[in-house]
Order: sequence, then structure tokens, then C-alpha cells
Amino acid sequence: EVQLVESGGGLVQLGGSLKLSCVASGFTFGNYAFSWVRQAPGKGLEWVSSISGDGGRTFFADSVKGRFSVSRDNSKNTVFLEMHNLRVEDAAKYFCAKDSGLAGTDGHLSSWGQGTLVTVSS
Amino acid sequence: SYELTQPPSVSVSPGQTARITCSGDALPRQYAYWYQQRPGQAPVLVLYKDKERPSGVPERLSGSSSGTTATLTISGVQAEDEADYYCQSRDNNEDSVVFGGGTRLTVL
Repeated sequence: EVQLVESGGGLVQLGGSLKLSCVASGFTFGNYAFSWVRQAPGKGLEWVSSISGDGGRTFFADSVKGRFSVSRDNSKNTVFLEMHNLRVEDAAKYFCAKDSGLAGTDGHLSSWGQGTLVTVSS
Repeated sequence: SYELTQPPSVSVSPGQTARITCSGDALPRQYAYWYQQRPGQAPVLVLYKDKERPSGVPERLSGSSSGTTATLTISGVQAEDEADYYCQSRDNNEDSVVFGGGTRLTVL
């Protein structure tokens, strides 16, 4: 059974930093790309970032480009999202999602974690 | 990146058919994917490649795509289908994932 468990969310001050983690199990981790998707309270889904299966390619939404980075440790079945210079509009629940493919540029998000909440105080 | 447009809400009575549309200029070239999100829960994939159902998804959920519009159809709607539904596609020009704004399905 595929399981994705996010952690690392919390309350951070405006301009601060936070690092989210997503630990995966139940499949061959390195064979799949991963994405981070966020959802502000009462709002829709917003794609944030994706990373290919080998970590060699990363992709970001314009709204976070230059402030967020994504990485993975295939030996620990973990994906990370490092967030810097956080803004009020970054406050959201952040979901980790397993991509259907390796590249991170096609396909769908086949499994999702339950999310971790990021709150930004001004 | 381009946009996907969904109606904010759709309401149907139990047993009726609900249709949720998703419009986007790239849909003639890109697949549409659909996710169901119940309140307080994570999204769940319910359709991929326009019309394919993952295992465990009821047959009453089906999908189609024509031109710039993809459609999620739920036949014989049940109370448990009440949820938010999001379409998703890809923008290969910018290597990004695109979501529609979501449609709240209300079962009257």
C-alpha cells in the first residue's frame, strides 16, 4: 500500500524559512517523480513544485520560483520542500503527491499524503 | 502557463447525472485528470488520461474529452459523491502542472 506522510509544517514569521518532508513507502521510491501541491484555507489546489525520480530535474510554479527548492533522498525514501522568504500568501496545507511517471513532466498524481499545514504570521 | 476553467458549483438530486466540465486551450493536446476531495481529506485520483478509472473507482464515474473541454460525468449520483472535484493537466511549454479552480458538487 502506498503511503505518503508529510511533516515539518508549523507557524513561521513573515520572511522566515521552513523545510517540509515527505516520507514514502509501499513502492520503489526512485522510480517516480514527486510533486508538492498546496491548498490555502477554503481555496483550490495550487501546484508548487515537482522533482524527477533521480532528482536531476526540478520544476517550480512562478509564485515560488527563487524562494523554494525541492530535493529528495532516494536512500531514505524522502522528498523535501525547502521554503524561504515566506509570504502571507504561502500559508496553506502542503500535500506531497506521487507522480505517475519518472520524469515529473507528464502524467498525473496517483497518490497523495494527508498534508502538513504552514501558517505565516505577519 | 495556461488555465483550466471549471464551474464553481454543480447541484443534482440523488440518482440524477452530474456533469462537470473543464475547459482549457491545451486539452486537445494534453490529457485531463480528475481528483475528488471530500471535506477535510486529501485529493484522490478518480480519472486519468481523460477517461481511465483507477482501481476502486465506481463505474458510475466516467470521463470524456472533446476539443478544449473535458467532462467528468457521474451517473446515478449518490450522497457520497458530494465533494470538490478538480481537473488537472500539464503545460509542457513550461513543465508545470495546472489545476482547474475546482467544482463543488452538491447532492440535494
